[in-house]
Order: sequence, then C-alpha cells, then structure tokens
Amino acid sequence: DTGVSQNPRHKITKRGQNVTFRCDPISEHNRLYWYRQTLGQGPEFLTYFQNEAQLEKSRLLSDRFSAERPKGSFSTLEIQRTEQGDSAMYLCASSGDRGTQYFGPGTRLLVL
Amino acid sequence: AQTVTQSQPEMSVQEAETVTLSCTYDTSESDYYLFWYKQPPSRQMILVIRQEAYKQQNATENRFSVNFQKAAKSFSLKISDSQLGDAAMYFCAYRSQTSGSRLTFGEGTQLTVNP
Repeated sequence: DTGVSQNPRHKITKRGQNVTFRCDPISEHNRLYWYRQTLGQGPEFLTYFQNEAQLEKSRLLSDRFSAERPKGSFSTLEIQRTEQGDSAMYLCASSGDRGTQYFGPGTRLLVL
Repeated sequence: AQTVTQSQPEMSVQEAETVTLSCTYDTSESDYYLFWYKQPPSRQMILVIRQEAYKQQNATENRFSVNFQKAAKSFSLKISDSQLGDAAMYFCAYRSQTSGSRLTFGEGTQLTVNP
C-alpha cells in the first residue's frame, strides 16, 4: 500500500490555459474524491466517484471543471480556461466501503 | 446542509502539556461520522481519529482522544503529552452515513507546540 499519489505536485499556468491533474488512489479503494483547499481554509468537496461512476458533484464544480475515472482506478481533474480564482490546492482522497478517506499530497495550482 | 465550526483559529500548548481543540457541528441526521485530520505545514492531510455517531464510547488513539457530546453536537479533540511533531493545522470533519460521502470540514485550528 503506497498511499494516494497525485501528479504533478505543483503547477504554474497562465490564465486561460487548460490544466489536468492526476490522482492514483490506494489500490483496493473503490471510492475517489476531489477537494479544493484555499490558503488557511478547510478543504471543500468538488466531486466523488464510486468505481467509474461519478455519483456526486458540488456546485463549486463549474462547467470549466471536468473529472473522469475511466477504468475505476486513477482519476483526472481538468480545468479549462483557468482563472486566477482557480489558484488553490487540489486534494484527492480515496476510501473503501467503510468510508474513512485517506488523502494524497495535493497539487498546488497557481494561475498567473 | 451540514456545517462544521471550529471557533479557535489558533491554539498553543507547551511541550508535554495537554490541549483541547473544539469543534461543533450542525446536522439533522442521526447517523454520521466525525473525524479529526491533521495537516502539517506543506504536508498531506493525515487522519488522527474517527468517531461513529452511534457509539457512545469516545474514540481514543494513543495520546489523542475525543469528547463526543451528541446532544450538544460537540466533538472536541484532546491531545495529551503534546510533542513538537503535533504542531499542525487540525481540521474537524463530518460525513453523513446516509446522504452522500462528502466530508464537510471546519475552518481549522492552527496548533503551535512550544518547547
């Protein structure tokens, strides 16, 4: 068990560019979550997958955001036409059916 | 919608002493989970302790214990024999048992441990 991994760890982009982040969950976990955390705040829920099905989406997930988990393993989160307000830490977590979520190290995004 | 409130933005404790971090939550549900997570500077979120709402016994993990008061909707974390490595941001979180899997986090409490 190597834990949840996320790539890249840091991303700097210019406003208007598209970015994609990847999350690899703990191998036996069927649930995968994305959260966004701004400086000094608690994480805010974005979306949740059970296997390959996206079961829940937050209102925070605007139409510029899309997430996929095509084979029920890793997931990607894409942000199109980035804005400065998208600058944040993007956290991924995974869990089994018992529900305790284990977090990855996050991807820190800076939009210039 | 559920909300989680941590009323102490910052706390400090002397090494080897005991500190209690407060958390209150608002929900109309009876089945749920509560968690404390720790986030050291520039490091990832780590689970500290978990409490199931149907259990009356307070959860304990080594030096960490909770005081769960379901009627008062209070869930405080006690850290005994504080160590320098306990310095971090601590987040209280709520998860429904019946309506979705998302975690709802509080604003966090920054804990400083003084040598």
